[in-house]
Amino acid sequence: GAVVSQHPSRVICKSGTSVKIECRSLDFQATTMFWYRQFPKQSLMLMATSNEGSKATYEQGVEKDKFLINHASLTLSTLTVTSAHPEDSSFYICSAQAGEDEQYFGPGTRLTVT
Amino acid sequence: QKEVEQNSGPLSVPEGAIASLNCTYSDRGSQSFFWYRQYSGKSPELIMFIYSNGDKEDGRFTAQLNKASQYVSLLIRDSQPSDSATYLCAVERDSWGKLQFGAGTQVVVTP
Repeated sequence: GAVVSQHPSRVICKSGTSVKIECRSLDFQATTMFWYRQFPKQSLMLMATSNEGSKATYEQGVEKDKFLINHASLTLSTLTVTSAHPEDSSFYICSAQAGEDEQYFGPGTRLTVT
Repeated sequence: QKEVEQNSGPLSVPEGAIASLNCTYSDRGSQSFFWYRQYSGKSPELIMFIYSNGDKEDGRFTAQLNKASQYVSLLIRDSQPSDSATYLCAVERDSWGKLQFGAGTQVVVTP
């Protein structure tokens, strides 16, 4: 089956620093990748949609200058949380989709900002 | 704001019984509906999807869709302790595959 990986699985960083999270589709080419955020006891909230080679589309209320998304290839998308603050601590999950196929979710990255 | 509503639970179900999960959505134009299972600390995994009105069965799971009532449900038959998880209902927002998730229903299957 389709496999999506994320790296790192957990990261702790200090307030004010930047953190990069990678999302890779291991056995298929993902035309679209989605980035979600999930706070404890809450649902997944879509942050942005990225297509290979084009700028990401951000959801309302998500700051594009704070959450930088780069979809450099059909198998890799990165999310960089810039100048992280404690309120950015969350579970970040990516998903990848090939054409109109189902979305395959990565295992998630737990970010803690101290 | 398009919304997807679910009871948060927890829904306590005896082992072997049927768990019934409900989901309502506000966008009448929605066409595709998904049920995901999420274990604590893990990412969601797809259980099944449904596009047409009526029932769709896959093993112990049955999804039911009623577009007129804007309602989708999931039945879990012969519930097992391993079914204890949060079940997320998701509705496809547009043709690009964007999903709107409900807050999830926590299911606890008791031996």
